[in-house]
Amino acid sequence: QKEVEQDPGPLSVPEGAIVSLNCTYSNSAFQYFMWYRQYSRKGPELLMYTYSSGNKEDGRFTAQVDKSSKYISLFIRDSQPSDSATYLCAMIPAGGTSYGKLTFGQGTILTVHP
Amino acid sequence: NAGVTQTPKFQVLKTGQSMTLQCAQDMNHNSMYWYRQDPGMGLRLIYYSASEGTTDKGEVPNGYNVSRLNKREFSLRLESAAPSQTSVYFCAISEFTGGYGYTFGSGTRLTVV
Repeated sequence: QKEVEQDPGPLSVPEGAIVSLNCTYSNSAFQYFMWYRQYSRKGPELLMYTYSSGNKEDGRFTAQVDKSSKYISLFIRDSQPSDSATYLCAMIPAGGTSYGKLTFGQGTILTVHP
Repeated sequence: NAGVTQTPKFQVLKTGQSMTLQCAQDMNHNSMYWYRQDPGMGLRLIYYSASEGTTDKGEVPNGYNVSRLNKREFSLRLESAAPSQTSVYFCAISEFTGGYGYTFGSGTRLTVV
């Protein structure tokens, strides 16, 4: 079983829709949670970063972490065609032998059509 | 991607050939990483270097070697390429190991036939 599970989609939504992307994880040591966006044939770029449980908002994007359920989410409001990309969740533990090493989900392919 | 340069961008190898993927950064970050990305598998860590002079294995190190040449450069070597090593390879950097906000290069697409 993978440490981080992410529904690969693909997910197709109309412009203006609210998008919900999710990841579950099994390692309770994960403390730092990130969302990366990856456009086709490009490297991932950091979109959102959250420490421990809680919410964080940045413009149209909201990241949520529920450590009790080992579940994280990324919401995109008023989605735009330019949001079409692969979204990867990633996590880092606070210590231990995996310290500092990002663990990624499989990525969800999102298409926003006009 | 600004700050991390990977060469080459594309490469086709025959089974058994060797090659070195190069990564250079201009952000003066301490930690550097090599990931591979395969469909349905996400990104998996091959090797990383927490700081100049140190390297360590990641999740999938078999068939690879690395060299942290100096603070700027971190290379990945395939000694005897196999079709299972067909993948997209990404170099990433972070200010320090455990820091968030990794910066990724644009990748090297490798095909082994």
